[in-house]
Amino acid sequence: SQQGEEDPQALSIQEGENATMNCSYKTSINNLQWYRQNSGRGLVHLILIRSNEREKHSGRLRVTLDTSKKSSSLLITASRAADTASYFCATDARNTDKLIFGTGTRLQVFP
Amino acid sequence: NAGVMQNPRHLVRRRGQEARLRCSPMKGHSHVYWYRQLPEEGLKFMVYLQKENIIDESGMPKERFSAEFPKEGPSILRIQQVVRGDSAAYFCASSPPTGNTYEQYFGPGTRLTVT
Repeated sequence: SQQGEEDPQALSIQEGENATMNCSYKTSINNLQWYRQNSGRGLVHLILIRSNEREKHSGRLRVTLDTSKKSSSLLITASRAADTASYFCATDARNTDKLIFGTGTRLQVFP
Repeated sequence: NAGVMQNPRHLVRRRGQEARLRCSPMKGHSHVYWYRQLPEEGLKFMVYLQKENIIDESGMPKERFSAEFPKEGPSILRIQQVVRGDSAAYFCASSPPTGNTYEQYFGPGTRLTVT
């Protein structure tokens, strides 16, 4: 299976703390994306990092990519209760048009 | 500029009935993808379609599931003789006709419950 895995499966933190989620994948990729999904809702695209990039920032989000280890991390700084959601990484493997999603990390931020 | 639209948002079917899920891509998009999300899991690719063509159906179950994207109208995911295991959220995504197909924009999903 090409499906990635995310670690941890669940994470609970206090507001103001940082949250770090990791994603591993199995095949060579063109890009890796992170999505957020609030409970029972659709996916919200957060950030895309290309295979030739190592780090990318967007607001309170910081994404790193290590293609040699086939892994990525998403850091949310100064977390807020509104960040409570599931976070998924998705890769588009070379020579394919589909996105392969990880299993997700459920983040809960307590006020 | 409306995003990807899916309807219905929630669908309840009894075992053995048919489920029809609709997806209208973003304006100007001609590529449609269907994904399924089981409870507490990530999304799994099902099928990729362009207008009147199925490009990749490697994720579709061999029986009871079919998809189409006609020249006019929305893309339809059809599940015949539904079983309880079909209960899931079904998401549609679309991407523009040129450029990178990783630029997929997701709809809000249809939550299918089979009783």
